[in-house]
Amino acid sequence: AQSVTQLGSHVSVSEGALVLLRCNYSSSVPPYLFWYVQYPNQGLQLLLKYTSAATLVKGINGFEAEFKKSETSFHLTKPSAHMSDAAEYFCAVSGGGYQKVTFGTGTKLQVIP
Amino acid sequence: NAGVTQTPEFQVLKTGQSMTLQCAQDMNHEYMSWYRQDPGMGLRLIHYSVGAGITDQGEVPNGYNVSRSTTEDFPLRLLSAAPSQTSVYFCASQAPGDTEAFFGQGTRLTVV
Repeated sequence: AQSVTQLGSHVSVSEGALVLLRCNYSSSVPPYLFWYVQYPNQGLQLLLKYTSAATLVKGINGFEAEFKKSETSFHLTKPSAHMSDAAEYFCAVSGGGYQKVTFGTGTKLQVIP
Repeated sequence: NAGVTQTPEFQVLKTGQSMTLQCAQDMNHEYMSWYRQDPGMGLRLIHYSVGAGITDQGEVPNGYNVSRSTTEDFPLRLLSAAPSQTSVYFCASQAPGDTEAFFGQGTRLTVV
């Protein structure tokens, strides 16, 4: 069994401020973890993924996430928010292979000028 | 690169009508899946397939049928549309291992 909890359905940050989107997971097997971004009226695009290699994962658009097994967390961060970062972000967990991917409920990021 | 292609992009149905949402991928991925996205609920898995001729139910399969006759195509059928099936539907494909899922652009379905 696996699940993902995203804390905060809406997050607002000022342009240039730190972005922190929280994700906690539960998995009965070593997890593969993903962050996806969805812009309005579009599909999901992969930001980054954790696959049991380095615990600090760097993705596209300046985002990164750190896998913390002891905290069962995979929080997404970006040092300085840009207006173009406004979107909905989904954390997801999988057991790998053809294991099903389970998504969180999403966090909408608003960037205030 | 076409990736994952979904048709139609928008659809309005009357209650009780049936229709098929099309999904095709050109990446030779064995694994394909259908999700529905509803506000505040994230993406929920409807059905998935690990290869041609093999399908299985996901989290919310009721009211939907799938088949997988080829690697490329994975259509989703609504048997008798209900207002509760108003949603955005996403098809995804994935290669085996620790790989990402590739998503189509979605089908926005309204059932009136």
